[in-house]
Amino acid sequence: DAGVIQSPRHEVTEMGQEVTLRCKPISGHDYLFWYRQTMMRGLELLIYFNNNVPIDDSGMPEDRFSAKMPNASFSTLKIQPSEPRDSAVYFCASSIGIPHEQYFGPGTRLTVT
Amino acid sequence: AQSVTQPDIHITVSEGASLELRCNYSYGATPYLFWYVQSPGQGLQLLLKYFSGDTLVQGIKGFEAEFKRSQSSFNLRKPSVHWSDAAEYFCAVGGPGTDKLIFGTGTRLQVFP
Repeated sequence: DAGVIQSPRHEVTEMGQEVTLRCKPISGHDYLFWYRQTMMRGLELLIYFNNNVPIDDSGMPEDRFSAKMPNASFSTLKIQPSEPRDSAVYFCASSIGIPHEQYFGPGTRLTVT
Repeated sequence: AQSVTQPDIHITVSEGASLELRCNYSYGATPYLFWYVQSPGQGLQLLLKYFSGDTLVQGIKGFEAEFKRSQSSFNLRKPSVHWSDAAEYFCAVGGPGTDKLIFGTGTRLQVFP
């Protein structure tokens, strides 16, 4: 299996621009998680899905952030408009059932200037 | 409330020395416990997990961890550290009735030759 796939690996954008991060979970996994990692705040759970349905988005920092999972093999995290404080590494992880042994993607490093 | 504490932010050891990374958790029921490792620029990789049964669990790369219910701890150990073990290590807790993992703040391991 190819593991969790994220794209792009690096994204540099200007403040105010829309940013879309993409994730392909491991085939057969029914949970998908989006995390953000920064030096200041560590690893934060933003949102997670079960069977393509958003279950908990309480970690999404603002309305500027949105996430979708149109099918079992694809999810997006969108930031519109982006701000410099959104600069971070964004990880996608997937798991199957409970207990949650999560498998992480390589991350997308976002820099907003 | 569920929580994970990793008391050591940064640990330095010499190559060949033994290692113990501390993890304390707070969880209302029987916890599921995990250790992940993150190398620079990479995603988190699962080292080992505890769900039930034998309290000493073996993982990849020669790591092991021991679940001690009386101390609410799940410390990670390795008898002889290699330079390639330099990375950040995260402890996480989950369990029945919750879909999410709670991650600790991480311990950065530095290995001197």
